[in-house]
Amino acid sequence: LAKTTQPISMDSYEGQEVNITCSHNNIATNDYITWYQQFPSQGPRFIIQGYKTKVTNEVASLFIPADRKSSTLSLPRVSLSDTAVYYCLVGDRSGGGADGLTFGKGTHLIIQP
Amino acid sequence: DAGVIQSPRHEVTEMGQEVTLRCKPISGHNSLFWYRQTMMRGLELLIYFNNNVPIDDSGMPEDRFSAKMPNASFSTLKIQPSEPRDSAVYFCASSLESTVLGYTFGSGTRLTVV
Repeated sequence: LAKTTQPISMDSYEGQEVNITCSHNNIATNDYITWYQQFPSQGPRFIIQGYKTKVTNEVASLFIPADRKSSTLSLPRVSLSDTAVYYCLVGDRSGGGADGLTFGKGTHLIIQP
Repeated sequence: DAGVIQSPRHEVTEMGQEVTLRCKPISGHNSLFWYRQTMMRGLELLIYFNNNVPIDDSGMPEDRFSAKMPNASFSTLKIQPSEPRDSAVYFCASSLESTVLGYTFGSGTRLTVV
């Protein structure tokens, strides 16, 4: 059973705000939610992480509702360089286990001029 | 820090040959992961180590694949003998064991087996 579900692809235009939602209905109490970005020919890069409510950094915002069964990655005013695959991960590695090590297929975001 | 360093960046080999991929994790990180990425299967976890000890190798596709971590600063992934279906990009990543889902990936090795 997949731990996360996210759209296969999305497209938008430069200057727009893009929101990518990830569903994780079976999230556990100790699980964190983490998003990665991957450009072609590069490894995934950590973007943002959260547990509940809202987290913001210089790259993105992460919105997590009270039930934590979903999360939304928000990219403000995207540019062509934001074209990439975005992965949502859910898990808890505080015990050093394998939880949270599975990347799904991700969301292929395409930004057009 | 130079980040996670993988070598070689590209490898082209003939079927049946042995292939060795190398990884140097970030200094101080005590967890290391090997992933394989293909168009069909996406990113697959092959094996991971905590404190140089292999913890879970259930993702290793066959006995032809083996991984070692002789010390905290070096790991290898070996394929012997290699087959065309092993063609993929192989990524190494490292993290602090206590870090919740915060992995740093290398640039990957693109392997082509002909």
